[in-house]
Amino acid sequence: AQSVSQHNHHVILSEAASLELGCNYSYGGTVNLFWYVQYPGQHLQLLLKYFSGDPLVKGIKGFEAEFIKSKFSFNLRKPSVQWSDTAEYFCAVNRNNNDMRFGAGTRLTVKP
Amino acid sequence: DAGITQSPRHKVTETGTPVTLRCHQTENHRYMYWYRQDPGHGLRLIHYSYGVKDTDKGEVSDGYSVSRSKTEDFLLTLESATSSQTSVYFCATNHPPDQETQYFGPGTRLLVL
Repeated sequence: AQSVSQHNHHVILSEAASLELGCNYSYGGTVNLFWYVQYPGQHLQLLLKYFSGDPLVKGIKGFEAEFIKSKFSFNLRKPSVQWSDTAEYFCAVNRNNNDMRFGAGTRLTVKP
Repeated sequence: DAGITQSPRHKVTETGTPVTLRCHQTENHRYMYWYRQDPGHGLRLIHYSYGVKDTDKGEVSDGYSVSRSKTEDFLLTLESATSSQTSVYFCATNHPPDQETQYFGPGTRLLVL
């Protein structure tokens, strides 16, 4: 079945550690790619998105993601995490306006 | 973010009871969506609307119906709530001219006993 896979369910890091969260999708053709963040008790907020062009996209709060078409991947990175980055992170793939599919999410815990 | 409010924010109900959740947006966006969020599943689309009285099913539409009689309101109804519908429900809209990105409301936490 076509899907969006986030391989890490729970990641625990110390402050200042580097972060990389994996996201793979199995859809062919043109897709739009997103990372959303959900802080505890809050709604989803857009971190960054990729539609076309430079495969390395920068988002808010120092996050970036790289689209590798040959690997069907869109991994999220941050060079140095902070305690305030503790949240759940969702990768999403949109094939048209009405077919947004989300990964199961990765919970990030950053220890102070 | 997108001028979206949801009501109620929390609800406890009993199995077999009808429940209606409301999504209200203030920015006249054409597209509106209802998702449910469950652990291990991320968000899954229930129904969406592409205009007044224009709606369609999403990935997990069984047991749910929707209505959109005004641009600003998108209602999600559980005709006869079941325990499997215990979830957090999020409404979302798109933002023209970027029709591909969705922005989410604060969510409604529903518990069906």
